[in-house]
Amino acid sequence: QVQLVQSGPEVKKPGSSVKVSCKASGGTFSNYGVTWVRQAPGQGLEWMGGVIPIFGSPSYAQRFRDRVSITTDESSTTAHMVLSSLRSEDTAVYYCARVAPAVTAGGSYYYAMDVWGQGTTVTVAS
Amino acid sequence: DIQMTQSPSSLSASVGDRVTITCRASQHINSYVNWYQQKPGNAPTLLIYGASSLQSGVPSRFSGSGSGTDFTLTISSLQREDFATYYCQQSYSTLYTFGQGTKLAIK
Repeated sequence: QVQLVQSGPEVKKPGSSVKVSCKASGGTFSNYGVTWVRQAPGQGLEWMGGVIPIFGSPSYAQRFRDRVSITTDESSTTAHMVLSSLRSEDTAVYYCARVAPAVTAGGSYYYAMDVWGQGTTVTVAS
Repeated sequence: DIQMTQSPSSLSASVGDRVTITCRASQHINSYVNWYQQKPGNAPTLLIYGASSLQSGVPSRFSGSGSGTDFTLTISSLQREDFATYYCQQSYSTLYTFGQGTKLAIK
C-alpha cells in the first residue's frame, strides 16, 4: 500500500520561494498522477495543479500558473512543488495527493485523489 | 474554470439522522465528481468517485448520486465519526476544482 510522505514545515520570507517534496513509499507515481492541494487556516481545499499521465504536461490553476511548478524525479518516486513570489496569503497546509484511475461496476474509469500526504505547513512571514 | 457550489455550507445533525449534501457544477460534467471527507488536523480521504461509486473501505451508509450538473452525497444514518467537513471535486476538466465544503456538526 503506497504512502505519501511529505517534507517538513517551512517558514519563508515574503518574495522568496518554497519547495515541498512528496515521496511515495511502497510505490511510484509512474502509472499515476500527482496533484497539489492547499488549505489556508480555517479555509477549504484549493487545487493548485498536477500532472495526470493521460493528459501529458502539468496543469495549473489559473491563479497559480505564473508562480508554481510541479515535477516528478526520474525514478518517479518523489514529486516536488515549487511556489515562488511568496506572500502572506500563501500561508497554508500544502498536501500532495496521488491521482489514480478508479473503475466503476459498469467499467467506467474516473480519476480521483485516493492517497494523500500528511500535509506540509508553510508559513510566510517577515 | 468549472465552479462547484456546495450547499449547505454548514449543517447540524444528530447521530442516526439521514443527511444530504448537494453540489452543483457550473457546466455539465457527466459523472466526474468525487467526494472527500476531512477531519480536523487530517488530510482528506476519498469517499465516492464517479459520482456514485464507493471507495474501498468506506462504509455503505455513504452514497452518492447525480449526473450532469447536480450531485448529492447522502449519509443514511449518521455515526459519531462522520462529523467532519465534506468536499465535492470535479475531474471533468484537467483543471480540478473543489466545492467550498460542508461542515457537519453535532446537534
